[in-house]
Amino acid sequence: SSELTQDPAVSVASGQTVRITCQGDSLRTSYATWYQQKPGLAPVLVIYGRHNRPSGIPDRFSGSSSGYTASLTITGAQAEDEADYYCNSRDSSGNHLVFGGGTKLTVL
Amino acid sequence: QVQLQESGPGLVKPSETLSLTCTISGGSVSSGSYYWSWIRQPPGKGLEWIGYMYDSGNFKYNPSLKSRVTISVEKSENQFSLKLTSVTAADTAVYYCARAAYDSGSPYFDLWGQGTLVTVSS
Repeated sequence: SSELTQDPAVSVASGQTVRITCQGDSLRTSYATWYQQKPGLAPVLVIYGRHNRPSGIPDRFSGSSSGYTASLTITGAQAEDEADYYCNSRDSSGNHLVFGGGTKLTVL
Repeated sequence: QVQLQESGPGLVKPSETLSLTCTISGGSVSSGSYYWSWIRQPPGKGLEWIGYMYDSGNFKYNPSLKSRVTISVEKSENQFSLKLTSVTAADTAVYYCARAAYDSGSPYFDLWGQGTLVTVSS
């Protein structure tokens, strides 16, 4: 089992807002990074560090954190946002890296 | 722009050693700012960090794989490599090389290879 816990699946109606969460002890002291992965493709970085968004990532993607939980929010989800989303951070020792188990987002 | 490309056998026999290479184009493996990494993803499952190399000679490995993993660097070829010994069917996965960095003390992978499927089977 992963040290970062994600809900396996989430769904959202097109145009609505959805929050994908990631829980873990290490998130008290480290930010979560978020990746989007579509079938057959490598993951793409969408949020990193202090909730930064790489160039080319739409501003409907945002990150936040509170206590042991990090969140990725998509404001006004689009059909093209349907994908698997993974969080990533340090492990509880701080010395290694871990990924969450992933959340499959369905846009209805 | 910087690109990463994995290469190596797509089929490995059980108990043998999996060997993959990542070739960096448009950048240098000797850059001190980055952590050159391997990540894998079993079919239909999630991502697993294998390990990384940094500062051209320091390494960190996933504790669950540490006894079987070696990452090395070939500076003259601008490549870094992965060796995983004593493989079993559980090591069947898409293997990605990736570039990591840190922001505000937190890691992120900003550049990925396309991935290569390695199947462990006799």
